[in-house]
Amino acid sequence: GAGVSQSPSNKVTEKGKDVELRCDPISGHTALYWYRQSLGQGLEFLIYFQGNSAPDKSGLPSDRFSAERTGGSVSTLTIQRTQQEDSAVYLCASSSVAGEVGEQFFGPGTRLTVL
Amino acid sequence: AQRVTQPEKLLSVFKGAPVELKCNYSYSGSPELFWYVQYSRQRLQLLLRHISRESIKGFTADLNKGETSFHLKKPFAQEEDSAMYYCALKGANNLFFGTGTRLTVIP
Repeated sequence: GAGVSQSPSNKVTEKGKDVELRCDPISGHTALYWYRQSLGQGLEFLIYFQGNSAPDKSGLPSDRFSAERTGGSVSTLTIQRTQQEDSAVYLCASSSVAGEVGEQFFGPGTRLTVL
Repeated sequence: AQRVTQPEKLLSVFKGAPVELKCNYSYSGSPELFWYVQYSRQRLQLLLRHISRESIKGFTADLNKGETSFHLKKPFAQEEDSAMYYCALKGANNLFFGTGTRLTVIP
């Protein structure tokens, strides 16, 4: 079956604009994660969704970042008033069983460049 | 606080030589550790987890709680092992990743 998909694959925007990044998890996966990878850095956790539970937003770096997950499937990460330091690869991952945090299936990522 | 350290950004070895990618962690509880790999133009994927005590593609990793390490080892490196390797520690709702080591196997 299809893996995790993300769109767009690349996004170039101007400082101050809003952007939306989309993630389609593997069908049936209840958990969804967003990470950010800045140049030379490891993956930084942003947010976690599990079923209908309240998301864990503890990794969001500022209130300019938000995410939602509609119908327990597709997720959108929104960055408002983008800054140059938001430039990074944004990765989405999903996992199949509640608590199976260790085995995550990753998407190809969205490379965001803020000019 | 949970933290994963991979001290080597780059590692080059010759084909057939042993390879060891280092990983150290800090965690107050009972840790669960993983190695993820990203081959060129491919997605990040799980390579192995310590609780399985398995060998994947010839790689093994042993959790050493005394040294708080989870080094990845392979006795004879192959060219196809060239990739980016990330060590990860399981948190409550996410994985904590190290900064990664780029392994290059020289033919």
